[in-house]
Amino acid sequence: EAQVTQNPRYLITVTGKKLTVTCSQNMNHEYMSWYRQDPGLGLRQIYYSMNVEVTDKGDVPEGYKVSRKEKRNFPLILESPSPNQTSLYFCASSLGTGSNQPQHFGDGTRLSIL
Amino acid sequence: KNEVEQSPQNLTAQEGEFITINCSYSVGISALHWLQQHPGGGIVSLFMLSSGKKKHGRLIATINIQEKHSSLHITASHPRDSAVYICAGMGFTDKLIFGTGTRLQVFP
Repeated sequence: EAQVTQNPRYLITVTGKKLTVTCSQNMNHEYMSWYRQDPGLGLRQIYYSMNVEVTDKGDVPEGYKVSRKEKRNFPLILESPSPNQTSLYFCASSLGTGSNQPQHFGDGTRLSIL
Repeated sequence: KNEVEQSPQNLTAQEGEFITINCSYSVGISALHWLQQHPGGGIVSLFMLSSGKKKHGRLIATINIQEKHSSLHITASHPRDSAVYICAGMGFTDKLIFGTGTRLQVFP
């Protein structure tokens, strides 16, 4: 089944403890992206990647790192999480960015930083 | 002012009504997405369009490039259409810029 898989789905952790949220897709998609969703602010793009070893900052990259060493994986790394990174995170992938290439979203990761 | 604006923010309707959600953008885009987010949180892509009109079942999406405006229409609305609908513009640098969403509730 074609899907985008995020792990974990839920995480409660403490300030400063490094964490990684994994994202994997099995559709051979070129484009992958991370978003966060906050009440009143909607979805905002954190980082995106057009292909292996190519990553670019979105609108809110501060405090996050990503890597794209393999086409299928695009982990989101919080080196020193802070409470303002408490949010709902989504990973998504698409074949490209053309008008017939919709994004496929993961189920989301709810992150709480205490 | 947001680069992608949606209206209305909230919408209630009776089952069977025709619904329109609007999206205006102020930046150049290569394509516009319409997404649906159900109360459980999952996000599904409904449409992606760069010109004209697309139809899928009871859903119709249109875009007017000159006016920088897109609409999502739902015909014969049903309670299962209750969700948050989000438009997003794909910029020419491949960044996605989101509207803040329209919360739709359809009552039986």
